[in-house]
Amino acid sequence: ILNVEQSPQSLHVQEGDSTNFTCSFPSSNFYALHWYRWETAKSPEALFVMTLNGDEKKKGRISATLNTKEGYSYLYIKGSQPEDSATYLCAFSAGNMLTFGGGTRLMVKP
Amino acid sequence: NAGVMQNPRHLVRRRGQEARLRCSPMKGHSHVYWYRQLPEEGLKFMVYLQKENIIDESGMPKERFSAEFPKEGPSILRIQQVVRGDSAAYFCASSTDRVNTGELFFGEGSRLTVL
Repeated sequence: ILNVEQSPQSLHVQEGDSTNFTCSFPSSNFYALHWYRWETAKSPEALFVMTLNGDEKKKGRISATLNTKEGYSYLYIKGSQPEDSATYLCAFSAGNMLTFGGGTRLMVKP
Repeated sequence: NAGVMQNPRHLVRRRGQEARLRCSPMKGHSHVYWYRQLPEEGLKFMVYLQKENIIDESGMPKERFSAEFPKEGPSILRIQQVVRGDSAAYFCASSTDRVNTGELFFGEGSRLTVL
């Protein structure tokens, strides 16, 4: 059983705050680490797919880093907006499929 | 280019009946994954299929559950003799490549309620 842990479980921030969440995963048999954004009543949408230790990816105000040796990834959101409110999922691949963490639920207050 | 299509979106079954959930992947995608989300829980892997082949079914219960992805037509997740514990949202995702390099594109889910 692969353990993918995300923290915190939920987070309330004010509009304009910058924030970050953590994803911990097994450091052995690493193939890829994915981040997804899941808005209520919609389907998860991919943000990043990261495969190399030290990878840093950015999409607008959202960025992510990857440390495969110690088994963690950070997701950063700069200047949070109400539309960033969603659940952010990370998922680890050790081969054929993705194992998802429980998600971090972000709520941004205007 | 239509996204991943799942139907039905909502399905109600009585205990002992069969549930069939369908998933049409995005055009050009040959990899299909099924995930289940139980109430108050996260996404749990069930099965990974490529056209006509089950690649990994390690997350699928051994009894009553089966999945297929035929050469023509959608992928089907079949649950026989449903029980209340099968009530969940079932998500299908597809990709052009294996998850080691390719992102997953998710459908909007099929919500099964067992009375």
